[in-house]
Amino acid sequence: QVQLQQWGAGLLKPSQTLSLTCAVYGGSFRGYYWSWIRQPPGKGLGWIGEINHSGTTNYNPSLESRVTISVDTSSKQVFLRMSFVTAADTAVYYCARSPITGSTMNVFDIWGQGTLVTVSS
Amino acid sequence: ETVLTQSPGTLSLSPGERATLSCRASQSVRSNSLAWYQQKPGQAPRLLIYGASSRATGIPDRFSGSGSGTDFTLTISRLEPEDFAVYYCQQYGNSLFTFGPGTKVDIK
Repeated sequence: QVQLQQWGAGLLKPSQTLSLTCAVYGGSFRGYYWSWIRQPPGKGLGWIGEINHSGTTNYNPSLESRVTISVDTSSKQVFLRMSFVTAADTAVYYCARSPITGSTMNVFDIWGQGTLVTVSS
Repeated sequence: ETVLTQSPGTLSLSPGERATLSCRASQSVRSNSLAWYQQKPGQAPRLLIYGASSRATGIPDRFSGSGSGTDFTLTISRLEPEDFAVYYCQQYGNSLFTFGPGTKVDIK
């Protein structure tokens, strides 16, 4: 059974860089896009960007200037870096899987447990 | 960017009742790119429906999806206690994923 396990720093000061890791256990790394999605407290979901096993990325234009998503296929890990964070970046951050092909392409069928990142001075 | 609007914002119903949730898109969405998720407090979202009308693995048949173009519906035929949650629709288009603001289904 595929599981996504996330971790990273939970408390940042304004202007610092957010760094999160998502590890894939129990399944294939190829054949999927791996996304980061965030949810501010009490609010809805927002897509940040995605990457596949070969390093091809797509980003939300609203965040693209501050975000870098990378991958290490040998360890089956996906990384999120977001620079110059502010209080508006306070959210639960999720990693999620979407198949590249097939009937469930373009949807998120497996999610990580979420990581709360708080930005506060 | 395709904007998704969900209505109502909150739906107050009793167990056993039927729930009808709406998701409207600002432009046409390909049916194979429309999904519904359920989220309970403190949990990650769970995929319910993909391709506008196909149930994900393990999802009970009381959940059904329908619609095309700009108007989509999630129906829960008879609410069970575990169905009270927030429901989000999501679409993919032009290399961008967007989510609706959610509908909260709470106990009347």
